[in-house]
Amino acid sequence: DAGVIQSPRHEVTEMGQEVTLRCKPISGHNSLFWYRQTMMRGLELLIYFNNNVPIDDSGMPEDRFSAKMPNASFSTLKIQPSEPRDSAVYFCASIPIPTYEAFFGQGTRLTVV
Amino acid sequence: ELKVEQNPLFLSMQEGKNYTIYCNYSTTSDRLYWYRQDPGKSLESLFVLLSNGAVKQEGRLMASLDTKARLSTLHITAAVHDLSATYFCAVVPSSGTYKYIFGTGTRLKVLA
Repeated sequence: DAGVIQSPRHEVTEMGQEVTLRCKPISGHNSLFWYRQTMMRGLELLIYFNNNVPIDDSGMPEDRFSAKMPNASFSTLKIQPSEPRDSAVYFCASIPIPTYEAFFGQGTRLTVV
Repeated sequence: ELKVEQNPLFLSMQEGKNYTIYCNYSTTSDRLYWYRQDPGKSLESLFVLLSNGAVKQEGRLMASLDTKARLSTLHITAAVHDLSATYFCAVVPSSGTYKYIFGTGTRLKVLA
């Protein structure tokens, strides 16, 4: 298995533009989590899915953020419109039951200018 | 709200020395995880602790879990430079929400 695959690895965009981050989890894993990492706030849980169903999106900072998981092998995190304060590294993590050990993707470094 | 706190936040230590990183959490849980992150890299799983009293060891690192005290420790024995990284603990509450919350992280620097 290639592990968790995120794309793009780096994204530079202008304020106001729409940004879509993508994640392909490990096959057979039941849960998928999206995190945001910054120096100031550490690792923040944004949203997570169990069996493709969103369970808790209370960490999504604003309505500008949305996430979907249309099937077991793909998830997206969308920011529309983007703002400079959204600049961060965004990770998705694929998690199997029952160990619940998280396997992280390489992350997407987002810079909004 | 579940809170996961680590201390210290920063740790600078000499090679060959021993030290312990602490992870405290605020709710009932019997699942705790330790991860390592190198600068500019992703997080890598180190230990999975799934019961009270669990102890795991890998090389110079040993992790333990005390669910009654809501405390996990990551002990470093005879530190070497290659252990320099940021270490995170993460907790999944027993409430059944499966909300995976990470601690603040401990940035470890081992000096030669």
